[in-house]
Amino acid sequence: DAKTTQPPSMDCAEGRAANLPCNHSTISGNEYVYWYRQIHSQGPQYIIHGLKNNETNEMASLIITEDRKSSTLILPHATLRDTAVYYCIVRVAGGSSNTGKLIFGQGTTLQVKP
Amino acid sequence: GAVVSQHPSWVICKSGTSVKIECRSLDFQATTMFWYRQFPKQSLMLMATSNEGSKATYEQGVEKDKFLINHASLTLSTLTVTSAHPEDSSFYICSAGRTGGDYTFGSGTRLTVV
Repeated sequence: DAKTTQPPSMDCAEGRAANLPCNHSTISGNEYVYWYRQIHSQGPQYIIHGLKNNETNEMASLIITEDRKSSTLILPHATLRDTAVYYCIVRVAGGSSNTGKLIFGQGTTLQVKP
Repeated sequence: GAVVSQHPSWVICKSGTSVKIECRSLDFQATTMFWYRQFPKQSLMLMATSNEGSKATYEQGVEKDKFLINHASLTLSTLTVTSAHPEDSSFYICSAGRTGGDYTFGSGTRLTVV
């Protein structure tokens, strides 16, 4: 399974963009990059995922480098409610069911400060 | 959006008893469900993968006779912690995978064994 490396913690000022990096240098060609976050004592919340193209949704943007060895999750205007642990996960390729398991690393604790 | 309901949200049981945790996909069919365990200040650890109509696949080091998993329908998977002991106290989280690539997590169950 490809593994990911994330900084253990980051701070961000409220209203500013939060840029969370992730290294996944051993990712395989058919493996996706997923981002989830977990607010204390809750289940993880899906944020975004991508294969090789940059992706954007209502929550965030995902920038994947051309060689796919790293990615950055961007929260464009961080709020206090974005304080959470953010997990970058490379999905183990499943079969035709497309449901490979997610293996969590240690994640990045993002603290958004007023 | 996809919703996964996990019940109960918390439970306290006596040592030696068994506890059943339910995980339901409310608005989609989940051919695969995943069970995780999370200790305080640690990341999620995958325990097992549950496939509808077949035996669960357990991760290395997880006792299958202690953590019984049943996935009898496309919308329900259960985890039974048998003969629970204080060291089984943890936060248990389920996740459901579906075609399309994203995974939805339940809100978690806080188990306390006294």
